[in-house]
Amino acid sequence: GEDVEQSLFLSVREGDSSVINCTYTDSSSTYLYWYKQEPGAGLQLLTYIFSNMDMKQDQRLTVLLNKKDKHLSLRIADTQTGDSAIYFCAENTSGTYKYIFGTGTRLKVLA
Amino acid sequence: SAVISQKPSRDICQRGTSLTIQCQVDSQVTMMFWYRQQPGQSLTLIATANQGSEATYESGFVIDKFPISRPNLTFSTLTVSNMSPEDSSIYLCSVESAGRGLTEAFFGQGTRLTVV
Repeated sequence: GEDVEQSLFLSVREGDSSVINCTYTDSSSTYLYWYKQEPGAGLQLLTYIFSNMDMKQDQRLTVLLNKKDKHLSLRIADTQTGDSAIYFCAENTSGTYKYIFGTGTRLKVLA
Repeated sequence: SAVISQKPSRDICQRGTSLTIQCQVDSQVTMMFWYRQQPGQSLTLIATANQGSEATYESGFVIDKFPISRPNLTFSTLTVSNMSPEDSSIYLCSVESAGRGLTEAFFGQGTRLTVV
């Protein structure tokens, strides 16, 4: 089946690291994404990882992929108040247009 | 990349009425997608709009309730018909385009619909 799950809320203090987790069920997924949605805005792609990778680092962002457990995580180092948003993981299989989105994690950064 | 503009950004509508949401893309794209984001929930694909043919609807969504137009390669509309409070949601237009080393989904800012 196609189901992508995330915890709904995460609260961290400014300067700490945030880790947002995601589990998915479609083992044929080729790409896994992290999108950010700020209040009143659409979704914006933050980063992505190919399914043949274990880790990807992009400035303050680190994506870890455990294919065996179908677990994806996003780590934000030195979290800032501007990082407060809803974060969605999503999966997509090469050759299809369908994206399966997670339920979204609302990150609140406390000053 | 693609820049997507949606109108209106928000609206409050009476039950039983209809609302048409417009989506304009700054480049020509083959497929345009309409999603619904209900409060506290994930994005659900409503339908795929192709230029020159009828839209393809996902399970649980029908053309009578969500008619879609796609008159050209840069524009689409989604109508939410005979609205009820359960239709209160954010509606998002999306396209796929070449991004940073891969094909990625780009989104409009969304239309926040409240039905009273």
